[in-house]
Amino acid sequence: ETGVTQSPTHLIKTRGQQVTLRCSSQSGHNTVSWYQQALGQGPQFIFQYYREEENGRGNFPPRFSGLQFPNYSSELNVNALELDDSALYLCASSFGGTVPYEQYFGPGTRLTVT
Amino acid sequence: GENVEQHPSTLSVQEGDSAVIKCTYSDSASNYFPWYKQELGKRPQLIIDIRSNVGEKKDQRIAVTLNKTAKHFSLHITETQPEDSAVYFCAASDQGAQKLVFGQGTRLTINP
Repeated sequence: ETGVTQSPTHLIKTRGQQVTLRCSSQSGHNTVSWYQQALGQGPQFIFQYYREEENGRGNFPPRFSGLQFPNYSSELNVNALELDDSALYLCASSFGGTVPYEQYFGPGTRLTVT
Repeated sequence: GENVEQHPSTLSVQEGDSAVIKCTYSDSASNYFPWYKQELGKRPQLIIDIRSNVGEKKDQRIAVTLNKTAKHFSLHITETQPEDSAVYFCAASDQGAQKLVFGQGTRLTINP
């Protein structure tokens, strides 16, 4: 196991609600990236946090926001949930810098929006 | 931005045969290419990666090759076993931007 953990495992929300997902990075890692994986597709990059600062963002609207804490754990917040937000949300932990390092994924949070 | 195309989408091989999955990328600045294996209901697991200063890398039955000129890279699995059955994703990342851009995935089935 890689040591990256996520909570909760599953979540069911209603359209229009807000949700917070959590990720604990692997020991020694200072970077957390968040990805959305729709059924049958590859993960899509949402954003990345490096040393508590956002370090790159994918093509996701502002209602997707995040945070990284001094212990390098991270949160993903999604406001005004839409049905299309139903997906597996993965976080990946790595050691950041100017050279890409291996990213290790957590088990994911399965979000269902009804 | 970077775009990664992966082929084939499904692949079925006999146990013991080899499997090859191919990916192409669009951004010549990309310099890191990992491969992930995802079993049903599980997290993507990093199985091998290659950087742009290397042409080939092997780890037991798994190898990856990179052709920077043609902007494509491939995963080779030899002596396939039933436990190799999974969805495999290739990805690309450019220097200084650690986001990974993933291919669409290949569902590999190993037939006993």
